[in-house]
Amino acid sequence: AQSVTQLDSQVPVFEEAPVELRCNYSSSVSVYLFWYVQYPNQGLQLLLKYLSGSTLVKGINGFEAEFNKSQTSFHLRKPSVHISDTAEYFCAVSSFGDYKLSFGAGTTVTVRA
Amino acid sequence: GAVVSQHPSWVICKSGTSVKIECRSLDFQATTMFWYRQFPKQSLMLMATSNEGSKATYEQGVEKDKFLINHASLTLSTLTVTSAHPEDSSFYICSARDVGQGNYNEQFFGPGTRLTVL
Repeated sequence: AQSVTQLDSQVPVFEEAPVELRCNYSSSVSVYLFWYVQYPNQGLQLLLKYLSGSTLVKGINGFEAEFNKSQTSFHLRKPSVHISDTAEYFCAVSSFGDYKLSFGAGTTVTVRA
Repeated sequence: GAVVSQHPSWVICKSGTSVKIECRSLDFQATTMFWYRQFPKQSLMLMATSNEGSKATYEQGVEKDKFLINHASLTLSTLTVTSAHPEDSSFYICSARDVGQGNYNEQFFGPGTRLTVL
C-alpha cells in the first residue's frame, strides 16, 4: 500500500511570486507520481506526472516537479504565479501494476494581487 | 482528446429515492473506470473500481448494495446511489483509464456530480 502526505494545507502567495507545494509519499514498491489541480466545483485536471526517466518533470501552466527517490518527495513548483492559479492541488501516487490512485489531502493555493 | 463526461452535473433528490450518475469516456475506450467521493474541503476517496464486463471492486467500508456500479460498455459506467439519505450528499467524481499508448498510467477525470439529498 502507498500513502501521500501533502505538508501544507494552505499556501497564500502574492501574484508573480514563486510557489512550492510539498508532497511526500511512502511505498514499498516503485511508484508513479502525479499532481492534479481542481478548480471549484470541477473535476481534476492533470498538471504533470512522473512515470520514469528524467526526475525533473515539466507540466502545463508553467508548473514543474522534481522526483527525489531518496527523500521520497515530489514537490511542485512554479516560478511566478497568477491569480488564475488559485485552486486546490492534489498529489497522487500509484504503484507499478496497480492503477489505483492514492491522493494526498490537498493544498489550497490562494494567489493575491 | 481524453475527455470524460458526467451526467448530471448536479442533482437534488428526496431521502429514500435512488439516483443514477453516468460517466462516459467520449473519445477513448476505458476498460477501467474509477468512482471517487469527495466531501467539502477534503481529498478524493476511492469508492470502487469499475471493470467493463465484470463486477466492480469496492474499497473497504463502501457498501456495494448501496452504491451500485455497472460498467456495461467500454465508454460508460454508472453509479446508482440506492435509497439515498442526507449523509450520502457529496461530490462524486469518476475517472477513466485510457489504455492507449502513452496514457497507460493516467486517469482522466470527469467534472463531477454534486448530489444533495434532502
